[in-house]
Amino acid sequence: GAGVSQTPSNKVTEKGKYVELRCDPISGHTALYWYRQSLGQGPEFLIYFQGTGAADDSGLPNDRFFAVRPEGSVSTLKIQRTERGDSAVYLCASSFGFGNEQYFGPGTRLTVT
Amino acid sequence: EDQVTQSPEALRLQEGESSSLNCSYTVSGLRGLFWYRQDPGKGPEFLFTLYSAGEEKEKERLKATLTKKESFLHITAPKPEDSATYLCAVRGGALNNNDMRFGAGTRLTVKP
Repeated sequence: GAGVSQTPSNKVTEKGKYVELRCDPISGHTALYWYRQSLGQGPEFLIYFQGTGAADDSGLPNDRFFAVRPEGSVSTLKIQRTERGDSAVYLCASSFGFGNEQYFGPGTRLTVT
Repeated sequence: EDQVTQSPEALRLQEGESSSLNCSYTVSGLRGLFWYRQDPGKGPEFLFTLYSAGEEKEKERLKATLTKKESFLHITAPKPEDSATYLCAVRGGALNNNDMRFGAGTRLTVKP
């Protein structure tokens, strides 16, 4: 079946601009996670959704980052006033309920110039 | 502080040369140790979950083991297609119930 998909695959934006990154989880998966991965590092947790609500947003680095999942399926990660330090690969994962193995999408490579 | 350390950072093997990757953790109250494989430009691919010391899991040429302080990913007679970065992650300890903390990974290259 279809895996987790993310769009766009690459995004180049100028410092100070607003960006949206989209994640389509595996159908039927109730839990959705966002991670950020810098070069040579493992993924770093950002936020977790159970259904429509953000059950845990403790990993978001600051208030420029926000994520939504209005219908309990697709999620959008929003970054305001982007900074060069936001450049990374943003990964989305989903699982069938919390605590089960997570299945990752291919990621969105964000470059802030 | 909860930490996950993987070693070595990089490993080069000849095809057929068996070896092991290490994942050391200091998380108390482990609620799962996860192994993932990541190919360049792709997201991590789930391999194994281990929950308690002494547990072992196998998949093709890979075998994961767990003690109270570390996990090993054993690769038997590797092939070039096993080349990838192998990540381990843990859930537990002081980490929020939803957090999964990843190590930096071991970059494995298998030469034909």
